This record gives sequence, structure tokens and C-alpha cells, in this order.
Amino acid sequence: AQTVTQSQPEMSVQEAETVTLSCTYDTSENNYYLFWYKQPPSRQMILVIRQEAYKQQNATENRFSVNFQKAAKSFSLKISDSQLGDTAMYFCAFISNFGNEKLTFGTGTRLTIIP
Amino acid sequence: DAMVIQNPRYQVTQFGKPVTLSCSQTLNHNVMYWYQQKSSQAPKLLFHYYDKDFNNEADTPDNFQSRRPNTSFCFLDIRSPGLGDAAMYLCATSSTGTSGEETQYFGPGTRLLVL
Repeated sequence: AQTVTQSQPEMSVQEAETVTLSCTYDTSENNYYLFWYKQPPSRQMILVIRQEAYKQQNATENRFSVNFQKAAKSFSLKISDSQLGDTAMYFCAFISNFGNEKLTFGTGTRLTIIP
Repeated sequence: DAMVIQNPRYQVTQFGKPVTLSCSQTLNHNVMYWYQQKSSQAPKLLFHYYDKDFNNEADTPDNFQSRRPNTSFCFLDIRSPGLGDAAMYLCATSSTGTSGEETQYFGPGTRLLVL
């Protein structure tokens, strides 16, 4: 069974600074996908960024980028130039590439951006 | 815009009184999921439909049922809600057979309160 670990329950950072959220996972599979989801307080869970395990290049989406280290089974999220709207719960998630599989979530990191 | 819609956004019910939550999607995705999310926790998968095939999680209580009358709609029925069933219920969809198929897209959720 796959597991996803987020070791930082809470983090805070000053607005405009850069912050990195950590995520590690455990799997015996070679083909899989990793995600970061953002869930603002009382709001919808939205996809931040997605990474295919077979791609060596780290995914980026505007101010969001990942550091994907497949051998180390690490998938951290970097948020550059953080904004107040980045305040949210961030979930790291894993799914294998075999179809009809479950999304495995980490326990989440609550990120607060301080004005 | 294509999206996942959940109604109602807030639902109050009485202990033991059946309640139905609904989810619809305009993404034409063939997989639909129901999650239960309690405060500050990761979503917990209750069940999912792969097309018309129902997949129940082993630890989902019998009190929870689901229906998917067509591709667009999926319902969550709680037959006899208990106080412990108060939570946010999230619907999500994904599509198999296309690039990015494993990405799940979430609705805004229905917050259930049991009195």
C-alpha cells in the first residue's frame, strides 16, 4: 500500500517570501502521479500542480514549482513570492498508473501567509 | 465552464433522518467519487463509480449508500445520520483514457450538520 507523509502540520511565512512544503511517499511502483492540492478555509479543493513520475523535469505552474526526487521518493512544493491568497491547507497526494486506483492523501500542511 | 457542482452547499438534518446529497458534473468524466472530510483532516474515500461499476471502500459504513443514475449525476444517501457523520462531503471526478486521466477534480463540497 502506498503512503504519503507530510511532516509539517503548520507553516507560516511573510508575504512575498518563498516557502517550501515537504512531502515524501512510499511505493513499490514505477509509474504513478503526484499532486499538490490547495484547500483554502471553507473553500473548494483545487489542483495546484501535477507531476508524472516518468518525467524527469519538475513541473511548474506560475509561482508554484515542485522538486521531484524519484529515488528519494520526495515531492516538495515551492511557492515563490507568496501571497495572502495562498493561505490554505495543502495536501500532497499520490495515485498509481494502473487505473481505478485510489488517491492517497497526506495529512496536510496548514500554510498561513502573514501580511 | 466545465465543473463539478454540489447541492446543497450546507445541509442540516436531524439525528436519524435520512438525507441525500447530490453531485453533478459537466466534465463528462466517467469516474465519480465521494469523500468524507472532517475538520483539518485529509479527505477519506467512501466509494466511487467507474462508469456504472460501484466500488465501495471496505471501511465505509453501511449507513452510506450511493446512486449514479447517469454519467452526470451521483448521489450520496445517508440512511440514518449520526452525530459522527457531521462533516464536509466532497464529490470528485476523473476521466480515464485521456492524458491527465488520473487527476481528480473536486466540487465545492456539502457541509452536513446533524442535530
